[in-house]
Amino acid sequence: SQLAEENLWALSVHEGESVTVNCSYKTSITALQWYRQKSGEGPAQLILIRSNEREKRNGRLRATLDTSSQSSSLSITATRCEDTAVYFCAMGTNTGKLTFGDGTVLTVKP
Amino acid sequence: EAAVTQSPRNKVTVTGGNVTLSCRQTNSHNYMYWYRQDTGHGLRLIHYSYGAGNLQIGDVPDGYKATRTTQEDFFLLLELASPSQTSLYFCASSEGQSGNTLYFGEGSRLIVV
Repeated sequence: SQLAEENLWALSVHEGESVTVNCSYKTSITALQWYRQKSGEGPAQLILIRSNEREKRNGRLRATLDTSSQSSSLSITATRCEDTAVYFCAMGTNTGKLTFGDGTVLTVKP
Repeated sequence: EAAVTQSPRNKVTVTGGNVTLSCRQTNSHNYMYWYRQDTGHGLRLIHYSYGAGNLQIGDVPDGYKATRTTQEDFFLLLELASPSQTSLYFCASSEGQSGNTLYFGEGSRLIVV
């Protein structure tokens, strides 16, 4: 997508390590969401962070939002093999649409 | 139980063929969406709807029609399928607009030969 994009196509880490996926966007947003898609499944939401929030946590996940630089990050600590998936950021605007980035493939090795 | 159900899960059709992809949600959500997913493009919005009888155009609508017959049911129609429409299609529902969580179905893989 030209409006939202993750900064790296693929990442690889070893189990137990931490990893960060970055996302940038090009328009004013109402909220930014992070989704994870495992092989053979539909995407599932991980975190929703609204435009007036700077940080959101969900267990081992932490998302940040910087509206001045129009960027967001998703950090995963103590990664597990089951975290292997494609991670998408998705930006919401006041048009009612949710625009997804192209995704970052994360591989967690044993 | 799956709250967003798509059918068929897999479909092969010929160029010029007529295809209908179906989606049913049991979340009582107002919004429903159709996305296509292709390698290197992520998820791209085709059409969406905020209620029965309503249809909104997404980002890649060409070659697709859609119809929302009830709050639960949203259909994607390809009346003259082309090989460029070979893709993985996802339906999703949400309670409100883009500040709400989308709940996705498991996808429908379409191959146009």
